[in-house]
Amino acid sequence: AQKVTQAQTEISVVEKEDVTLDCVYETRDTTYYLFWYKQPPSGELVFLIRRNSFDEQNEISGRYSWNFQKSTSSFNFTITASQVVDSAVYFCALSPGGSYIPTFGRGTSLIVHP
Amino acid sequence: DVKVTQSSRYLVKRTGEKVFLECVQDMDHENMFWYRQDPGLGLRLIYFSYDVKMKEKGDIPEGYSVSREKKERFSLILESASTNQTSMYLCASSLTSGMQETQYFGPGTRLLVL
Repeated sequence: AQKVTQAQTEISVVEKEDVTLDCVYETRDTTYYLFWYKQPPSGELVFLIRRNSFDEQNEISGRYSWNFQKSTSSFNFTITASQVVDSAVYFCALSPGGSYIPTFGRGTSLIVHP
Repeated sequence: DVKVTQSSRYLVKRTGEKVFLECVQDMDHENMFWYRQDPGLGLRLIYFSYDVKMKEKGDIPEGYSVSREKKERFSLILESASTNQTSMYLCASSLTSGMQETQYFGPGTRLLVL
């Protein structure tokens, strides 16, 4: 069975602070995909990034960066110089080999104060 | 851009009513999903469909049914609404049945059952 744990239920920061959202996963598959989605107050989940299990290269996209470490089964997400518009619920998800049905974590609510 | 639309953003129904939630996607996606989202529980899969007229139970199908008569449309039906079905309902679609596929979400329907 697959499992995704986002231990941080809610994080509150002040604008311009850096913040890291943790994601730890469990799977017996050697091939899988990991995802991050953002859910702003409007409600619609928006895809942010996808990473396959064979690609441990870290990724940076503007103020966003992702750190994938198979050794610790983690796929953490860092926002640098956070902004109020980053306030949202962030979900980490895992699609194991042979399945297109992702398992979602419970989400981390990020609140960025001005 | 893929667009997933849901028939209502907010809905108020009475206990025992039959409720229809409609979802339409415009990009010829094979797969469609219904989730419910509750505070602290994340996204839980109710039903999904990988083809017209095909449906599979997710993690919490009790009290729900679905219909997919056309590829672009996936309906969630609450046969007899109960107060414990008050929730946020999210529809999603994905292009194919590969584990790498990203899900595209609608804006959600907030259902209140009185």
